[in-house]
Amino acid sequence: DAGITQSPRHKVTETGTPVTLRCHQTENHRYMYWYRQDPGHGLRLIHYSYGVKDTDKGEVSDGYSVSRSKTEDFLLTLESATSSQTSVYFCAISESVAANTEAFFGQGTRLTVV
Amino acid sequence: KQEVTQIPAALSVPEGENLVLNCSFTDSAIYNLQWFRQDPGKGLTSLLLIQSSQREQTSGRLNASLDKSSGRSTLYIAASQPGDSATYLCAVVGGGGNKLTFGTGTQLKVEL
Repeated sequence: DAGITQSPRHKVTETGTPVTLRCHQTENHRYMYWYRQDPGHGLRLIHYSYGVKDTDKGEVSDGYSVSRSKTEDFLLTLESATSSQTSVYFCAISESVAANTEAFFGQGTRLTVV
Repeated sequence: KQEVTQIPAALSVPEGENLVLNCSFTDSAIYNLQWFRQDPGKGLTSLLLIQSSQREQTSGRLNASLDKSSGRSTLYIAASQPGDSATYLCAVVGGGGNKLTFGTGTQLKVEL
């Protein structure tokens, strides 16, 4: 199994509080991604990174920010959590497009905003 | 914008049956297509990756095909088993940023 660890695995937080989710990889892959999974919507890309300090927005980036100060860590921050951000969040990694390599996913973080 | 559709949304079959899951995508300019399996409450497990230059890929009882020009892929599961019960997702990689765009999945139940 690819070395991807998400933390925490479960979290309950109150509306309006900031929340940070962490993704840690041991594969030295260049690309890292944050997705959210919701019933009826499938997996949607929030933000992704293509290198240290290089990030870009996905299709549902509003209310989220990311940072990548080291190759192995990709942080997702909900600046002021809202109930609509209750979801399961997945981190993924991949090596590169040119290498045509698989993407691997973490086990997910279940976030509940009350 | 790339859109990925999976049909059917749910499927129930008796054990031992061969089955086909479908995936279609709107933009044929893809680098590759990947099939995943997701068990309830779990993460995604990669099953097969087909590069854009390939027509099919096999792993055990699984065979995935790709017709890039028509925007279609199929996942064939031979001799289905109850342990195959899960949600199957396809995702295409294309465009800038090496991003995966997912379908909403097919929920498969294999009954004894």
